[in-house]
Parts: sequence; structure tokens; C-alpha cells
Amino acid sequence: DAGVTQSPTHLIKTRGQQVTLRCSPKSGHDTVSWYQQALGQGPQFIFQYYEEEERQRGNFPDRFSGHQFPNYSSELNVNALLLGDSALYLCASSLSGASGLQFFGPGTRLTVL
Amino acid sequence: GNSVTQMEGPVTLSEEAFLTINCTYTATGYPSLFWYVQYPGEGLQLLLKATKADDKGSNKGFEATYRKETTSFHLEKGSVQVSDSAVYFCALNGRGDYKLSFGAGTTVTVRA
Repeated sequence: DAGVTQSPTHLIKTRGQQVTLRCSPKSGHDTVSWYQQALGQGPQFIFQYYEEEERQRGNFPDRFSGHQFPNYSSELNVNALLLGDSALYLCASSLSGASGLQFFGPGTRLTVL
Repeated sequence: GNSVTQMEGPVTLSEEAFLTINCTYTATGYPSLFWYVQYPGEGLQLLLKATKADDKGSNKGFEATYRKETTSFHLEKGSVQVSDSAVYFCALNGRGDYKLSFGAGTTVTVRA
């Protein structure tokens, strides 16, 4: 049973560029959440997708957007990259209504130069 | 809003020592509480959870008890191993909330 998978593993971009990160949820899960983890800090919630809609959003600017596909996989898009966007981006999957029990992928390390 | 406060690290221990990592929370109502562990270069793994007051979560020798009266969820292990070296995160999920709110993490290093 595959867990949560993310691609790519690492990514290097320059300021002003755009990036797309991808996530496939754990088998049987229908909900995907995205988190940003800056170096030495705890993960910060970006947003959650369920039934292909953004269900809840954290305190992130509109440069951060997402999408969920009918097979429950998800993308995170970040436009107009800033140096401060450099972080580990974590995807977590869960079952709707599972009281916060979320399973995390290995993350995508984004470096913005 | 919901928040989690963890004891600051880093924490350095010798093998077989007792480990405690303090975690307190602020939340409306009765949240679910979690401990996650992050090994170097990896994502987060769920270590244990508790969903109501006085519940005790346990896994791999780690334990934490949901204390409503002190709004705490301290992590303990009686005898640590070198393989327990990692960053530990306390997290909560508030009632009616979809997100996890994390503490800043505590880095634990166990020396042989």
C-alpha cells in the first residue's frame, strides 16, 4: 500500500518564476492538505482540498494556489516566487471527517535563488 | 486561535536516558492532539495521538497523556536509543477545524 508520494524531491527556481508541486494521496484517502515548513520551524498550513474544492485556507497570499483532481491527487502552484518561499513543502492526506489524522509525504524541497 | 507551545531544544541525551518533551496548547473546546516525528531529510511520521481528555497515546515506547486541566500533552520515553534522534512536533486539530496546528519542534539527539 503506497503512502503519500510527492514530486519532485528537490527544485531550484529563481525569483519571479512559477512552480508546481505534485502530490498523490495514500490509497483510500480523499482529502489533501499542503503545509510549508521553513528551516527550523514547524509546518504551517497552506490549504486543504476536498471534493476538488479548497475547503480551508491558512494565512498565505493568493500567489499560492492549488488544485485537486478527480483521482484525489493535488497540485500546489506558487507564482512570482520570493526568496522567502524557500522551504520544504509537505503534502498530507486524510479521510474526510477523520478528526485531523493526516499522513505526510516526504516533501519537496524548494530553493529560490 | 489554536496554538501549540513546545519546550525549546535542542535536547541531548545519553542512550537509555529518560526523555520528556513538554507540550501545552491553547484551543477552543477539546482538540485532538498528536505527536509527529521527523527524521533527517524526511517528512513527518505520526508517532501517537489522543482524541479526548485522559486518553493516553502510545507507540514505539513513547507515551503522552491528554491533560485537559493543564492543557498539556507531554511526550515521554523511558529509555531512548540513538535511533530516536529526530525532531519531534506536537500538533493539534481543533474541533470543526481541518488543519493541524504545529509547535516549533524539539530537536533530540541521543548519544551512544
